[in-house]
Amino acid sequence: KQEVTQIPAALSVPEGENLVLNCSFTDSAIYNLQWFRQDPGKGLTSLLLIQSSQREQTSGRLNASLDKSSGRSTLYIAASQPGDSATYLCALNSGDSNYQLIWGAGTKLIIKP
Amino acid sequence: KAGVTQTPRYLIKTRGQQVTLSCSPISGHRSVSWYQQTPGQGLQFLFEYFSETQRNKGNFPGRFSGRQFSNSRSEMNVSTLELGDSALYLCASSFLGGRSYNEQFFGPGTRLTVL
Repeated sequence: KQEVTQIPAALSVPEGENLVLNCSFTDSAIYNLQWFRQDPGKGLTSLLLIQSSQREQTSGRLNASLDKSSGRSTLYIAASQPGDSATYLCALNSGDSNYQLIWGAGTKLIIKP
Repeated sequence: KAGVTQTPRYLIKTRGQQVTLSCSPISGHRSVSWYQQTPGQGLQFLFEYFSETQRNKGNFPGRFSGRQFSNSRSEMNVSTLELGDSALYLCASSFLGGRSYNEQFFGPGTRLTVL
């Protein structure tokens, strides 16, 4: 059974730092992996989608990588800003997920001005 | 292109009542999924519809039901509301849904409070 883990649960860094959020999964048979952002009380904003055949995707200051063999994805945020403060979740479609996304619990990120 | 819309955005109900939530997917998307999000349980899958057919259902009691219309709009219904049903209900749409390579897009959610 596919399981997704995000560590740490919370992270606080000073503004301007580059940082990496981690997402690990137990079964490498995935279709894709998405990174989402959620602001308090709000819906989910899709940040990046990585297909199973891809190694990384970039959007602005964000870069997501995927290593299926090790069961890991990372989200790299460059030059962090206070507006990046949010909870970041990873989710994936895998062979046994039966039409639902399998979710990590999220990393709550706080960027200190 | 309009995003996923959910109505209403906020609802307050009392125990025992029923509620219907609506989701309009992105134009052209045929898959709609529903999730419940609570602080204690995180995101939990409710069900997924594709072309008016439910393809999968999560581990929720029968009080939770849904349907999808021919225009891909979806509704979910919760009957006999309980305090524990208080949550943010999120709808996601994608072109083909799970077991595919499609990106999923979420609406802003409906915040349901049961008193």
